[in-house]
Parts: sequence; C-alpha cells; structure tokens
Amino acid sequence: EVQLVQSGPEVKKPGESLKISCKASGYSFDNNWIGWVRQMPGKGLEWMGIVKPEDSDTRYSPSFQDQVTISADKSINTAYLQWSSLKASDSAIYFCARQMGATAPFDYWGQGTLVTVSS
Amino acid sequence: EIVMTQSPATVSVSPGDRATLSCRASRSVNSNLAWYQQKPGQAPRLLIYGTSTRATGIPARFRGSGSTTEFTLTINSLQSEDSAVYFCQQYDNWPAWTFGQGTKVDIK
Repeated sequence: EVQLVQSGPEVKKPGESLKISCKASGYSFDNNWIGWVRQMPGKGLEWMGIVKPEDSDTRYSPSFQDQVTISADKSINTAYLQWSSLKASDSAIYFCARQMGATAPFDYWGQGTLVTVSS
Repeated sequence: EIVMTQSPATVSVSPGDRATLSCRASRSVNSNLAWYQQKPGQAPRLLIYGTSTRATGIPARFRGSGSTTEFTLTINSLQSEDSAVYFCQQYDNWPAWTFGQGTKVDIK
C-alpha cells in the first residue's frame, strides 16, 4: 500500500528556519517524483515544486523559487521542504504528493503538515 | 504560466441530481488535465486524470470530458458524500503545474 506520512504541525516565529518531511512507503521511492503543494487558510491549491529522489533533480514554480528548498534522501525514502527564514505569510497547510512520471498527476497524497508562523 | 479558471465557484445540487463543473485553461493543455476532490480537513484525492480516466476506486458516476482548453467534470446521481471542493489541475506545462481555484459542491 502506497503511503506518504508527513511530519507533525509546527509553530514558529518569523525569521526562524524549518524543515518538514514526507516519508514514503509501499512503492519505489527512487523512480517517482514527489511534489509539494501549499494550501493557505480557506484557499486553493498551489503547486510549489517537485523532486526526483533518484538523482535529486528538482524543479520549482516561479512563485516559490528562492523561497523554499525541496530535497529528498533516497536512503530513508523521505522528501523535505524547508525554509531558511519564515514569514507570517508562510502559514499554511503543506501537502506532499507522488507523481509517477514527468507528465502525470499527483496520485497519492500525504495527510498535510500545518505550519503556523506567528510572533 | 497556464491559468486554470473554474466555474461556478459554488454549485448547490439535490441528492440524485447531476452537477456539472467547468475548468478552462488559458492555453492548450492537450489532455493533461486532472480533477481532485477535497473534503474538509482532508488531503485532496485524485478522481480523474488524462481528462477522462477515473483513478482507482472512483465510482462511475464521476465523468471527465473535454479537450485542449475546455474541460468538464460531471457528477451523476449526486450523493451526500460528494459534498466537497473540486479542483482541476493541468500537468502539461512541465514543470509548472497549476490548479484551478476550486468549485464547492453543496448538497441541498
């Protein structure tokens, strides 16, 4: 069974750093892309970027380029989303999701990680 | 960036009736269009991909259609459990996938 299990909720202050995780199981982690999607409170879905664990090929939406870093550690089947300096506007739910090919939808999703940034 | 526009913002339908949701792309996405269902407090779930192919376990009452820039999700014989927000997504413009803003389906 394919599963993506994300790390728990986070409460941070502006300017702090953060790294959230997404652990995959039940399929070949190396050969499939993992993407990240933001959902701000009461809003829609925003595609942030994607990584292929096999070679760490990473692509970003222009809206999120230089704002976050996406990575993966294939030795532990885990993908990451990180910020070096959080802003209040980063408060949102972040989902990871699997994509089986370069031109494919997200077929499995993690449960989401709530990030709250407040002074 | 390809902009995806969904309409209407909200549709209110009685149980057993049909709901028709629309999604328009600012330029052709070929058939690389997916639909997701999201219920409150849950992650999105893939319903339809490749414009019209149902994902595993999705009931036949969910039907996707369309091409290039105009797409439709039809939900036949609406059930109470279909109350959710539905998003379309294009995955043609690699690597810049984009979502529509969502259509909320209310059950009367």
